[in-house]
Amino acid sequence: DQQVKQNSPSLSVQEGRISILNCDYTNSMFDYFLWYKKYPAEGPTFLISISSIKDKNEDGRFTVFLNKSAKHLSLHIVPSQPGDSAVYFCAASGPTDSWGKLQFGAGTQVVVTP
Amino acid sequence: DTGVSQNPRHKITKRGQNVTFRCDPISEHNRLYWYRQTLGQGPEFLTYFQNEAQLEKSRLLSDRFSAERPKGSFSTLEIQRTEQGDSAMYLCASSFRDRGGYTFGSGTRLTVV
Repeated sequence: DQQVKQNSPSLSVQEGRISILNCDYTNSMFDYFLWYKKYPAEGPTFLISISSIKDKNEDGRFTVFLNKSAKHLSLHIVPSQPGDSAVYFCAASGPTDSWGKLQFGAGTQVVVTP
Repeated sequence: DTGVSQNPRHKITKRGQNVTFRCDPISEHNRLYWYRQTLGQGPEFLTYFQNEAQLEKSRLLSDRFSAERPKGSFSTLEIQRTEQGDSAMYLCASSFRDRGGYTFGSGTRLTVV
């Protein structure tokens, strides 16, 4: 039962433009959300997180938006750079998972073109 | 701090053989996790240690899988009587605080032939 879904397996964006990655979840108990970035032959790297008490969190070029009523979050990357080409995973946890268990989506492959 | 180290990076084994993977977490991290990732999917939780205690184990983990973390330092994941369906990337991660944001290793890619 996939509780975190990333319905776009891939995204192509021009350098300098905005990348928008989407993630939907089905478990209303989830209250903490994270984005990870993964390059080939490396493990995922933590990017940014958001708690359900917020609807937006920003860190440099990366902003995560949370819409709890729609059970939807998105990651905006502005401006996109060639080094952003990677697979991005959305992940979520609930209050009973405070020790750190995460449920991941299937990932979105981002390609930033010159 | 050299990050989370996993060995070996690659393992090819024949069906029915046993394999063991090692994970060395970041030294000050007391929490250690194992995840498995198959092609086209995100990481899937397998098990969790806090110090040397294994506190959570996925129901998806069959009895052929066992993990240990002696003395709360490195961890090993053993798969007995491997099957082709065990072929995956096995990822280890560590953390010192709640709610994720942990550091992953580069993984061990297992191929069962």
